[in-house]
Amino acid sequence: EVQLVESGGGLVQPGGSLRLSCAASGFTFSDHYIDWVRQAPGKGLEWVGRGRNRATGYTTEYAASVKGRFTISRDDSKNSLYLQMSSLKTEDTAVYFCVRSLPYRSFDIWGQGTMVTVSS
Amino acid sequence: DIQLTQSPSFLSASVGDRVTITCRASQGISSYLAWYQQKPGRAPKLLIYAASTLQSGVPSRFSGSGSGTDFTLTISSLQPEDFATYYCQQLNSFPLTFGGGTEVEIK
Repeated sequence: EVQLVESGGGLVQPGGSLRLSCAASGFTFSDHYIDWVRQAPGKGLEWVGRGRNRATGYTTEYAASVKGRFTISRDDSKNSLYLQMSSLKTEDTAVYFCVRSLPYRSFDIWGQGTMVTVSS
Repeated sequence: DIQLTQSPSFLSASVGDRVTITCRASQGISSYLAWYQQKPGRAPKLLIYAASTLQSGVPSRFSGSGSGTDFTLTISSLQPEDFATYYCQQLNSFPLTFGGGTEVEIK
């Protein structure tokens, strides 16, 4: 079964850090781009960033709202992608989804999401 | 940034109704548009990509059209399982953006 499974969410204080993981199975992870999308409680979807594959140099893209604070990395040997979040703000509170990204086409596979709550 | 404006933001419809949701982009995005369905507490699900191509496994009552700046998602005969929130997304340029969503409620 093709799937993505996020983990690592939780409660963190403002200014703190957290690392999310996204574990892939059922497809050739190393061939694909993986993005992060978040959804604040009761709100819409917001794209967070992209981690490209080895063929494109593992380059990344970020939304302006997280650039300089969030870092995407991946370990193809573990079929995993990571989102390192630092200097967290209350407005980063959201469910974070990892998604398999087909450039210019769609996000065709979504994980179930992991909740991040930034609060004192 | 490319803004996507969905309308309506909320609609109330009955089973069997034909439903149309529109998505307007602030600048041309060719056909780099996707549509997703999200039910409460669940991850979004891909319905349509490249503006009009039905994702495998999605019922044929869903269809998409448009190019450039104006797009539509049509449900030809609304079914009970279609009550959900629908989002459009542009994949033309970074930052990738989503529309604000259209919640479809049972009348």
